[in-house]
Amino acid sequence: GAGVSQSPSNKVTEKGKDVELRCDPISGHTALYWYRQSLGQGLEFLIYFQGNSAPDKSGLPSDRFSAERTGGSVSTLTIQRTQQEDSAVYLCASSSGRGNTIYFGEGSWLTVV
Amino acid sequence: RKEVEQDPGPFNVPEGATVAFNCTYSNSASQSFFWYRQDCRKEPKLLMSVYSSGNEDGRFTAQLNRASQYISLLIRDSKLSDSATYLCVVLPTGTASKLTFGTGTRLQVTL
Repeated sequence: GAGVSQSPSNKVTEKGKDVELRCDPISGHTALYWYRQSLGQGLEFLIYFQGNSAPDKSGLPSDRFSAERTGGSVSTLTIQRTQQEDSAVYLCASSSGRGNTIYFGEGSWLTVV
Repeated sequence: RKEVEQDPGPFNVPEGATVAFNCTYSNSASQSFFWYRQDCRKEPKLLMSVYSSGNEDGRFTAQLNRASQYISLLIRDSKLSDSATYLCVVLPTGTASKLTFGTGTRLQVTL
């Protein structure tokens, strides 16, 4: 498809397990963003990539969270030793450049039980 | 003070009404502004960018007041389908790129 693609769309995991969330941005988009949104809350910035580098990681909530991007395309957000407070929808977005419109994927809904 | 502040609402208005939302931002060096719409359990989608001169798209009008550091969204002739949460988004200058979202204003249009 032409939009931002995320997988899995839904994930239920046990507390303490690691999870990986994947994002395929729109083809040709150099900027990629991860946001998190808890139920009924606003969007929380996690990390921004320009190409394969991450000039802004300021939003990662703890060292259990990490992200990488390879080939200037696909990005993976990894959460280690998941906790119940990690339950949220993780939204990936991409844009063709800084200041340009960002387009969101449908999100990965994570539930930690 | 939050970087981007919005009245969470909800704004409950009858169909056909005109409704306006404001959003204030704290960083005077902010350079780009947007309104996004988010339906329940869906991803945010761009509604419109906000330009210094103000801009209109059908029933929607967005305005920017740099002196007072706020942006506004006006919806005329509200439709039931306008019911959603409207997110104010600000991009500051001088940062790598941290689009900052407000927590959103909930609009409910009723018959």
